[in-house]
Amino acid sequence: AQSVTQPDIHITVSEGASLELRCNYSYGATPYLFWYVQSPGQGLQLLLKYFSGDTLVQGIKGFEAEFKRSQSSFNLRKPSVHWSDAAEYFCAVAQGGFQKLVFGTGTRLLVSP
Amino acid sequence: KAGVTQTPRYLIKTRGQQVTLSCSPISGHRSVSWYQQTPGQGLQFLFEYFSETQRNKGNFPGRFSGRQFSNSRSEMNVSTLELGDSALYLCASSLDRPSYEQYFGPGTRLTVT
Repeated sequence: AQSVTQPDIHITVSEGASLELRCNYSYGATPYLFWYVQSPGQGLQLLLKYFSGDTLVQGIKGFEAEFKRSQSSFNLRKPSVHWSDAAEYFCAVAQGGFQKLVFGTGTRLLVSP
Repeated sequence: KAGVTQTPRYLIKTRGQQVTLSCSPISGHRSVSWYQQTPGQGLQFLFEYFSETQRNKGNFPGRFSGRQFSNSRSEMNVSTLELGDSALYLCASSLDRPSYEQYFGPGTRLTVT
């Protein structure tokens, strides 16, 4: 069965510092991978997705993610964090042909001044 | 283009009652999925509807059901509510395959007392 692991429950980053959120997936075939962000009391907003092709994908709000098949990872990065980036981030995988997302447990990002 | 809308946003019910939640997808989106989000279990897939047919189903008891109308609007119903059904229920819509991007609504916060 598919699964997604986000090993960091909380991460604190200083404003202006770089960010990397980790995501590992378990899936036999080529996965469809996503990163979503959720602000308190809100739904999920899609940051970026990977289906195939270039393994470095660009998303909204200055985020990017790199797909590494050999490591079964899809880590999210941002070169300079802003206070407004404080939120919870979810990595998700979809099985090809199915509209079912399997989510990781999320990483809560705190941004310190 | 308007986003996914969900009504109501907040709901308080008593154990044993039933509840119906509504979701209006983005115009042109024919696939609607439902997810349950709780602190303990995280984000879990409930079911997906496409063209008024349930196409995929998660591992939830039969008390959880849904339907989709000809205009792609969807409802989910939970009968005989239990305290553990307290959660944020998220609806997501998407174009059909090969696009797997799901766009989420703000959710309905259900509290069962």
